[in-house]
Amino acid sequence: DIQMTQSPSSVSATVGDTVTITCRASQDVGYWLAWYQQKPGKAPTLLIYGASTLRGGVPSRSRFSGTGSGTDFTLTINSLQPEDSATYYCQQANTFPLTFGGGTKVEIK
Amino acid sequence: QVHLVESGGGVVQPGRSLRLSCAASGFTFRSYGMHWVRQAPGKGLEWVAVIWFDGSNQHYADPVKGRFIISRDNSKNTLYLQMHSLRAEDTGVYYCATGDYDVRSANYGMDVWGQGTTVTVSS
Repeated sequence: DIQMTQSPSSVSATVGDTVTITCRASQDVGYWLAWYQQKPGKAPTLLIYGASTLRGGVPSRSRFSGTGSGTDFTLTINSLQPEDSATYYCQQANTFPLTFGGGTKVEIK
Repeated sequence: QVHLVESGGGVVQPGRSLRLSCAASGFTFRSYGMHWVRQAPGKGLEWVAVIWFDGSNQHYADPVKGRFIISRDNSKNTLYLQMHSLRAEDTGVYYCATGDYDVRSANYGMDVWGQGTTVTVSS
């Protein structure tokens, strides 16, 4: 199975900061990488698929962006807002079984 | 409006069976692959299974292979997860989610999610 390792496991940042979350796959997954946001008590929501494609409905000029390919990926949150407080997960979509990273909890100072 | 509603969760003894359902509305259900994803209390997300849009193939996570069966009834716009030989480690919230559109793949992530149904396996 492909292991997905996220770092950091948690981050505390101030409104307006830029937050970067990394996700490393144990094998090449090409561009088949998705990012999700989950707020407490809620279902996850898809933010990005194909490593860098914003899901329809995510605001244009979004604060969220994804980059990477192969084994190394990054989710960047620009100009952090209070509503961005959540746990973020990466997921490889290249090979079965599909696997998620362990999550990164983003807190607002 | 795209909507997924899971049901069928509850408290069940180890070794017993349970069937979850996911009712879909607001989109062309028969054109989408469908996933089940679970989340143990206080833990991260774990993918469980996927079924192609036409039901022609299924894939499972190793911990549930041979015990769980994913199926769908496109005439009823409903996804199912039949769970057998339940274990304590199957406890968690089970979400259904839409997958890829009109292709036999699971490359594009899980787009729309239901609110989840809780399964507790305990004696």
